Amino acid sequence: DIQMTQSPSSLSASVGDRVTITCRASQSISNYLNWYQQKPGKAPKLLIYAASSWQSGVPSRFSGSGSGTDFTLTISSLQPEDFATYYCQQSYSTPRTFGQGTKVEIK
Amino acid sequence: EVQLVESGGGLIQPGGSLRLSCAASGFTVSSNYMSWVRQAPGKGLEWVSVIYSGGSTYYADSVKGRFTISRDNSENTLYLQMNSLRAEDTAVYYCAREVYGGNWFDPWGQGTLVTVSS
Repeated sequence: DIQMTQSPSSLSASVGDRVTITCRASQSISNYLNWYQQKPGKAPKLLIYAASSWQSGVPSRFSGSGSGTDFTLTISSLQPEDFATYYCQQSYSTPRTFGQGTKVEIK
Repeated sequence: EVQLVESGGGLIQPGGSLRLSCAASGFTVSSNYMSWVRQAPGKGLEWVSVIYSGGSTYYADSVKGRFTISRDNSENTLYLQMNSLRAEDTAVYYCAREVYGGNWFDPWGQGTLVTVSS
C-alpha cells in the first residue's frame, strides 16, 4: 500500500497569511494526487485534482504543485472561510490512501 | 445536479449487521467507479471499498471478509453490507464517485453515522 504523509499535522495562521501544506508519498504516484478540504460536520470537498488542477468553483488562492513523491498545497492569502482540515489522497493505486490531515486554525 | 445521498446508519451492537445505501442522481452509478470512505470520530479519512464499472470489487484489509459493496443498477444506488461489526467500525461513512481518468473523489455524499456499541 502507498503511504501518504502530510506535514504539518496542524498549524496556526492569520487571515492574509500564505500557508503551505506538504504531502509525501511512499513511492512515485506521478500526478495522481488530490487535495480535499473538510469543515467540521461536513463531507470533504475536492479542491485540487491531478496535483495541480482546480476543481470548478475553487478560489484561485488555492494552488497545488508537485509530481512523483512530493506535493504541495498552497493558500496564497488565507481567508476566514479557509480554516478547516486539509487532506491529500493518492489515486494511483488501490487501496486509495489519504494523508492524516492538516488542521488549519486561527492564530 | 450530481448528488449522492446516504442512508442506513444507526446504533448497532457488536457482531451485528447493517446495510448502508447511497442513492445517486445526475449520473449513472454502474458507469462509474464508486467508493465508500469512512471517518472515525475525531480521526482522518479511511478508504473502505470500491466497485469498478466492470463489477470488480476491492476492500481495505480492515473490512475484508466482513463488508460487501454492491450496486442496484435499476435503483441507481450503491450499497455497503456490513457484517460482524466491531467497535472500531464506528464512523461516519461517506460514498463518493471516482471521476474517470484520475480517480479523484467527487462528489461525496453527506455521510451516515454508524455507531457500534452495546
